[in-house]
Amino acid sequence: AQSVAQPEDQVNVAEGNPLTVKCTYSVSGNPYLFWYVQYPNRGLQFLLKYITGDNLVKGSYGFEAEFNKSQTSFHLKKPSALVSDSALYFCAVSPNYGQNFVFGPGTRLSVLP
Amino acid sequence: DAGITQSPRHKVTETGTPVTLRCHQTENHRYMYWYRQDPGHGLRLIHYSYGVKDTDKGEVSDGYSVSRSKTEDFLLTLESATSSQTSVYFCAISESVNSNQPQHFGDGTRLSIL
Repeated sequence: AQSVAQPEDQVNVAEGNPLTVKCTYSVSGNPYLFWYVQYPNRGLQFLLKYITGDNLVKGSYGFEAEFNKSQTSFHLKKPSALVSDSALYFCAVSPNYGQNFVFGPGTRLSVLP
Repeated sequence: DAGITQSPRHKVTETGTPVTLRCHQTENHRYMYWYRQDPGHGLRLIHYSYGVKDTDKGEVSDGYSVSRSKTEDFLLTLESATSSQTSVYFCAISESVNSNQPQHFGDGTRLSIL
């Protein structure tokens, strides 16, 4: 069975500092991995995905994510955080067939001015 | 943003009453999904549709039914609402069944069952 863990419920970072939101996964076969962001009273917005190839994936709003197969991780990163990055972030995994996404529980990111 | 409209956006109702939530898309995507979002659980799939009149159960389908009579509309029905179904419900769409494609989400319906 597939599963996704986001070990931190809450991440606090000062504006201008680098941020990392962690995600680990368990899936058979080669996974497809996704990050989504959710702002208050809104749906999830797609940020980026890893399918294959380069382990560093670049996405929207200056975010990037690093895929590490040996550690089964897909951490979301940004070199310099903005207050406007404050939101709820979800990691998701899908197997290499179908659209059976499994979402992590979410991590709330707070960027402090 | 993908053309996805969920209605109503908020609803308060009583235990035992039927409730229907609507998802309407203007993208002509074949695949549609209903999720519920609860603290600590992320999103969990309730039902999904892979075409008109073609639906299947997800992880947490008990107490829910769906219908899709047109490509653009996917309805979620709680036949007899219970307090455990208080949640935020999200509709999502995708163009392809390929698992390397992202799903796109509506803005949700906040449902409270008293």
